[in-house]
Amino acid sequence: SQTIHQWPATLVQPVGSPLSLECTVEGTSNPNLYWYRQAAGRGLQLLFYSVGIGQISSEVPQNLSASRPQDRQFILSSKKLLLSDSGFYLCAWSVVGGNQPQHFGDGTRLSIL
Amino acid sequence: AQTVTQSQPEMSVQEAETVTLSCTYDTSENNYYLFWYKQPPSRQMILVIRQEAYKQQNATENRFSVNFQKAAKSFSLKISDSQLGDTAMYFCATGTASKLTFGTGTRLQVTL
Repeated sequence: SQTIHQWPATLVQPVGSPLSLECTVEGTSNPNLYWYRQAAGRGLQLLFYSVGIGQISSEVPQNLSASRPQDRQFILSSKKLLLSDSGFYLCAWSVVGGNQPQHFGDGTRLSIL
Repeated sequence: AQTVTQSQPEMSVQEAETVTLSCTYDTSENNYYLFWYKQPPSRQMILVIRQEAYKQQNATENRFSVNFQKAAKSFSLKISDSQLGDTAMYFCATGTASKLTFGTGTRLQVTL
């Protein structure tokens, strides 16, 4: 069966520090991969999605970037965090082709001080 | 572009009762899917039910069912025999080509 791992679960970072959140998927090949941000009491905002290694689409201009160095690895990064980057970050995967449901990781709560 | 509107920020239902959560959407796509996700206090997003837009038959998963009105672009979720474990945020989503647009969610509280 397929599983998705996302870490860390909680992260507290000072303003201006770098960020690296990692997400890996097991049990499937060539998945679509996604990064979402969820502000407190809000819905999910799609940040990035990837349909293959090295292929990243950005949905909103921001202080963050994403990379997919391996087929089942998706990394969310920042060189310098802002206070507005605080939130709950969710990684998700889906089967390629058609309109398939997305399956989510457990999320990372990021607090910027 | 797609939009999803959930007009009920919070709802409450007694255990064993039935509750319906509303969702309307707008899309210019012909081939799309609709989903309901549940996010309990643990924050994990869990797929509850999915509906193919080309199917007229409403999807059902155990106690969860949808009322899909394509012409009205409405996709409501009915939870029957509500249980305490149903307490969560519920998000409606629509998508095509594997990209989803989510609503802002409805917080459902199941009470004794």
